[in-house]
Amino acid sequence: GAVVSQHPSRVICKSGTSVKIECRSLDFQATTMFWYRQFPKKSLMLMATSNEGSKATYEQGVEKDKFLINHASLTLSTLTVTSAHPEDSSFYICSAREEGLPLGSYNEQFFGPGTRLTVL
Amino acid sequence: RKEVEQDPGPFNVPEGATVAFNCTYSNSASQSFFWYRQDCRKEPKLLMSVYSSGNEDGRFTAQLNRASQYISLLIRDSKLSDSATYLCVVKWGGSEKLVFGKGTKLTVNP
Repeated sequence: GAVVSQHPSRVICKSGTSVKIECRSLDFQATTMFWYRQFPKKSLMLMATSNEGSKATYEQGVEKDKFLINHASLTLSTLTVTSAHPEDSSFYICSAREEGLPLGSYNEQFFGPGTRLTVL
Repeated sequence: RKEVEQDPGPFNVPEGATVAFNCTYSNSASQSFFWYRQDCRKEPKLLMSVYSSGNEDGRFTAQLNRASQYISLLIRDSKLSDSATYLCVVKWGGSEKLVFGKGTKLTVNP
């Protein structure tokens, strides 16, 4: 299957700092990428849909000024957690959907390995 | 009603056992359904899609009942390597949004 990478895999930061997480599709182009968050023993929750060349679409309850998303190319989307607080500590996972598949194909979302954020 | 609800688990079974996971979803307009597997502290990986007629992939069988908005996954002859958390996933309504269940943790014991 297609490969999606995330960087960094783990980050520990002080409260009040900003953290940028990168999501890359390595061997395919992705017009659309998705950002999820997973708290311990909870399900993955979609935070936002990242669209190349346009503004991201945020899910209800997710602050767009807090979680800045930039999708500047067909292979890269970034999520910046601004002024991070301990309650932002979580597992952040991106996924990318391969574009250009034949009609009727299932556009599987391929997930990155995740970034574990700990805010002290 | 929760959007996607799964058996709370955890399930602890011996090797060779058959185990079944259940899932219900609240959006009757949803058309696509999946089972993902997630290992501890890793990303989810697609196990199989679920089709209306039911489908089988080796030891894994998935069933869908649209009228009851119910999805199941059956694992036969379970292996140690099947130990993971199994996530029921629904593509919501007519959108591209995936909604995940909380997951059911399976541990297969020797």
